[in-house]
Amino acid sequence: ETGVTQTPRHLVMGMTNKKSLKCEQHLGHNAMYWYKQSAKKPLELMFVYNFKEQTENNSVPSRFSPECPNSSHLFLHLHTLQPEDSALYLCASSQSNGRRNTEAFFGQGTRLTVV
Amino acid sequence: AQTVTQSQPEMSVQEAETVTLSCTYDTSENNYYLFWYKQPPSRQMILVIRQEAYKQQNATENRFSVNFQKAAKSFSLKISDSQLGDTAMYFCAFMKIQGAQKLVFGQGTRLTINP
Repeated sequence: ETGVTQTPRHLVMGMTNKKSLKCEQHLGHNAMYWYKQSAKKPLELMFVYNFKEQTENNSVPSRFSPECPNSSHLFLHLHTLQPEDSALYLCASSQSNGRRNTEAFFGQGTRLTVV
Repeated sequence: AQTVTQSQPEMSVQEAETVTLSCTYDTSENNYYLFWYKQPPSRQMILVIRQEAYKQQNATENRFSVNFQKAAKSFSLKISDSQLGDTAMYFCAFMKIQGAQKLVFGQGTRLTINP
């Protein structure tokens, strides 16, 4: 248990569905991330939030919509996905005091399958 | 932009042997972190070891140690007395110490420890 919890662990959705992934961190961190892990590809950074503000959007298609209502919660809203979006989606958190960042702690991921 | 390269897609050793995983990176930054993360079949990304670039001493954590060569931009992980539980994907990652909080990952090395 690393203090970062993701739900659901598994999700199967159709291309016309709308679903959301949830991430919660209990570490008091001020930054949260979404990563995508596809087979045979390096982990891809999708979004970074710092103090609830989005500081990084790595050219992610608009069918992925992040939401960060507070420093402890991060959502990824999904709609009209494609089969190639099937992957493991990892949430992480870390801390920064402006002068120094810390290592990131990860959740267990959501295995998403788009059919 | 930073890049991280792991040139060994797969490795396999016998239990109790020592194994070294390779990682090279490219950056123009002077201060940064390097990490090794482990991802077992449970999918949880677990931090194994951290190195701060301004520290010349190589980091060690029990059976895990690194060989950090800053000039060569090389960061290898040595696992001594390997155990069956070390079987996992291992990812090398880079993060700036200040500024943008994002981890850049290598492609990963699948390590199998055989009984």
